Amino acid sequence: AIRMTQSPSSFFASTGDRVTITCRASQGISSYLAWYQQKPGKAPKLLIYAASTLQSGVPSRFSGSGSGTDFTLTISCLQSEDFATYYCQQYYSYPLTFGGGTKVEIK
Amino acid sequence: QVQLQESGPGLVRPSETLSLTCTVSGGSISSYYWSWIRQPPGKGLEWIGYISYSGSTNYNPSLKSRVTISVDTSKNQFSLKLNSVTAADTAVYYCARGGGNSGLIDYWGQGTLVTVSS
Repeated sequence: AIRMTQSPSSFFASTGDRVTITCRASQGISSYLAWYQQKPGKAPKLLIYAASTLQSGVPSRFSGSGSGTDFTLTISCLQSEDFATYYCQQYYSYPLTFGGGTKVEIK
Repeated sequence: QVQLQESGPGLVRPSETLSLTCTVSGGSISSYYWSWIRQPPGKGLEWIGYISYSGSTNYNPSLKSRVTISVDTSKNQFSLKLNSVTAADTAVYYCARGGGNSGLIDYWGQGTLVTVSS
């Protein structure tokens, strides 16, 4: 199985900050990478797919980049509703696998 | 807009079988693939497996020996059975749309907590 490693596992940030989360795959996955946002008690929500394509309805402050093994999720100007846990997921091969998550907390 | 809703017992005894059903509304179950994903309390996400509308399946090797996913197109539902459960199977179980040629998961149910305890 392809292992997905996210960093950091958690960090503190302030509203208005620019934040970057990284995700590394244990082998090349081309651009078959999605990012999800999960808030407490809720299901994950798809933010980005194909590494950099914004899902319909997702604010443009979210962006993704990367290909192969290294990927990033950037939030250009953190809003209060963005404090959540973020997961990357590869869909290059089965079994589908997720990163361990990055929790963005309020400073 | 597609909506998914999980249903089933919230408590299962050790060594017994966990059974959940997902009802799809706002669209047909046909022409798509459907997955089950779980999340132990405070932990990350684990993909369990998928089924197509025609019944083809693919399971996570880590659970393959204990998992069965089935589909009932007449009811727009698909189901999960996980046998011989232990406390390690305690998790929020999500049904979702995605799998097959594209493993992208785009719609999720709200999730249901299943606790394995005597």
